[in-house]
Amino acid sequence: DIQMTQSPSSLSASVGDRVTITCRASQSIGSYLNWYQRKPGKAPKLLIYAASSLQSGVPSRFSGSGSGTDFTFTISSLQPEDFATYYCQQGFSTWGFTFGPGTKVDIK
Amino acid sequence: QLQLQESGPGLVKPSETLSLTCTVSGGSISSSGYYWGWIRQPPGKGLEWIGSIYYNGNTYYNPSLKSRVTISVDTSKNQFSLKLSSVTAADTTVYYCARQWSGSFNWFDPWGQGTLVTVSS
Repeated sequence: DIQMTQSPSSLSASVGDRVTITCRASQSIGSYLNWYQRKPGKAPKLLIYAASSLQSGVPSRFSGSGSGTDFTFTISSLQPEDFATYYCQQGFSTWGFTFGPGTKVDIK
Repeated sequence: QLQLQESGPGLVKPSETLSLTCTVSGGSISSSGYYWGWIRQPPGKGLEWIGSIYYNGNTYYNPSLKSRVTISVDTSKNQFSLKLSSVTAADTTVYYCARQWSGSFNWFDPWGQGTLVTVSS
């Protein structure tokens, strides 16, 4: 199966900071990469699909890029409501969709 | 607005079968192009896809769980269900249901709030 890794596993940042998270796949997945936000006690939320497409209703400060095995997720200016855990997910292999281990973004 | 809600027992005994139901509201589970999936978060790990089902009953499962998992659909009730057999403490976690876009890229949206299932005697 395709393994997904994320870095860093956690980070501390301030409101207004630019935040970047990296996701790497163990084999090429084209652009079959999606990003989610999860807050405690709330349903996970799709932010980015197909590596770089912004889901409807999601603020434009969120963005994604990459293809093949290396992907990046960016929050251009961190807002108070953005403190959460972020996950990447490969949708390439129907033998098993896999998620990254998550990156927790907390307040510095 | 499409909403999903998980329901089922919060406590299951070891070796027994975990059963959960996801009720879809605000839309039809028979919509073409969408599968319906179950995802969980094992303790200390990232999210884990369990399996998905189409409204016609077509399913596919995570190979690591396939021997223990059954997902079914009831279009008349706009629900789909998960059964996980022979549970152990390692199956204690939050279980989510979600709509899966299967046209391409296989993203999950929206998700239910999740339901905590504890495996304990």
